[in-house]
Amino acid sequence: SQQGEEDPQALSIQEGENATMNCSYKTSINNLQWYRQNSGRGLVHLILIRSNEREKHSGRLRVTLDTSKKSSSLLITASRAADTASYFCATGGPNSGNTPLVFGKGTRLSVIA
Amino acid sequence: GAVVSQHPSRVICKSGTSVKIECRSLDFQATTMFWYRQFPKKSLMLMATSNEGSKATYEQGVEKDKFLINHASLTLSTLTVTSAHPEDSSFYICSARDLARGFVEAFFGQGTRLTVV
Repeated sequence: SQQGEEDPQALSIQEGENATMNCSYKTSINNLQWYRQNSGRGLVHLILIRSNEREKHSGRLRVTLDTSKKSSSLLITASRAADTASYFCATGGPNSGNTPLVFGKGTRLSVIA
Repeated sequence: GAVVSQHPSRVICKSGTSVKIECRSLDFQATTMFWYRQFPKKSLMLMATSNEGSKATYEQGVEKDKFLINHASLTLSTLTVTSAHPEDSSFYICSARDLARGFVEAFFGQGTRLTVV
């Protein structure tokens, strides 16, 4: 079943602009992760934020987490054409362990040069 | 990060035939692997959890006899699509998490594009 719901479903921006994607989830979580998928390829882990964290940075990526609203956002600053991809949030439930991640519907980002 | 290799990346088969997709963890042992299916411009849907040395756990609505999963070693899981039909055409992706890394992030294969004609 789908856990996360991203919005927008599709986003088109100019190179250099910032891109913000949002994700909502339904159940308690231990952490929330964001993944990137280039067209026709597997997923690549971008960043993880734990349930006791509110914000995290990694390079041009900034992730926020609001557990009271069960939502997260991914901000990509100074976007590049190479950032064109689909972005998914994923959660693995409140317990650690080798359980499957549940993915949101994803946001398709197009960065126009 | 850890490496998961999936093969083949693309396959075209005729209706009624079977296709095997392999998923290997190259630099870590994976007691559990996960198989997902993805339709165009859609998210990943979990099909089944593959457990080394035991039966796979299938998600509701996934036919066990249609999608055979075998996890015979700590580094290899296979998904066989049996008696394939055009509606089985899809993108299949496997993933695994590494105990040494605390089972946190998931590592994905490159995916297999299956086309049934």
